[in-house]
Amino acid sequence: AQTVTQSQPEMSVQEAETVTLSCTYDTSESDYYLFWYKQPPSRQMILVIRQEAYKQQNATENRFSVNFQKAAKSFSLKISDSQLGDAAMYFCAYRRNSNYQLIWGAGTKLIIKP
Amino acid sequence: DADVTQTPRNRITKTGKRIMLECSQTKGHDRMYWYRQDPGLGLRLIYYSFDVKDINKGEISDGYSVSRQAQAKFSLSLESAIPNQTALYFCATSDSRPFRTGELFFGEGSRLTVL
Repeated sequence: AQTVTQSQPEMSVQEAETVTLSCTYDTSESDYYLFWYKQPPSRQMILVIRQEAYKQQNATENRFSVNFQKAAKSFSLKISDSQLGDAAMYFCAYRRNSNYQLIWGAGTKLIIKP
Repeated sequence: DADVTQTPRNRITKTGKRIMLECSQTKGHDRMYWYRQDPGLGLRLIYYSFDVKDINKGEISDGYSVSRQAQAKFSLSLESAIPNQTALYFCATSDSRPFRTGELFFGEGSRLTVL
């Protein structure tokens, strides 16, 4: 069965600096999607970035980028120039291409220090 | 207006009461989901529906039931609420059409407290 592991329950970073959140997953599939979702104190889950497994190029969305290492089954999120509004829980999720169910990590709480 | 709307946003109830959480969406998506979120456990899938006539149990369906009244509406019921069902509940939708990535779009959550 697929699993998703986020080994950092909490991370903190100084405003304007860069932080990387880790995610590893276990699967025997070759075709799948990976996602990072953000949950701010307002509690709504918001998609930050997605990565298709067949794409070698790492996805980027403004200050957010991923380091996708398919062989190592690693999918880390890098946040550059951290802002106070980035403070949130961040969840990593995996989806098989053949199945629309997502498998979720337990989340990482990101604290931004002013 | 939100694309995925959940009601109520917050609810406090007593053990043994029947509770219904409602979800409606304007995204035109065919698939709808109910998740439960507990601290430290991430999101766990309760039920999911791929269309009005296709409803499936998730990993933690015991104690819950659902109804897909229309493509846009998916409700979650707790027939007899118990304290360990205290949690934050999310409704989500996704689009199964070809070339869609299947990402989920979430409502704002319904916080349920069972005393």
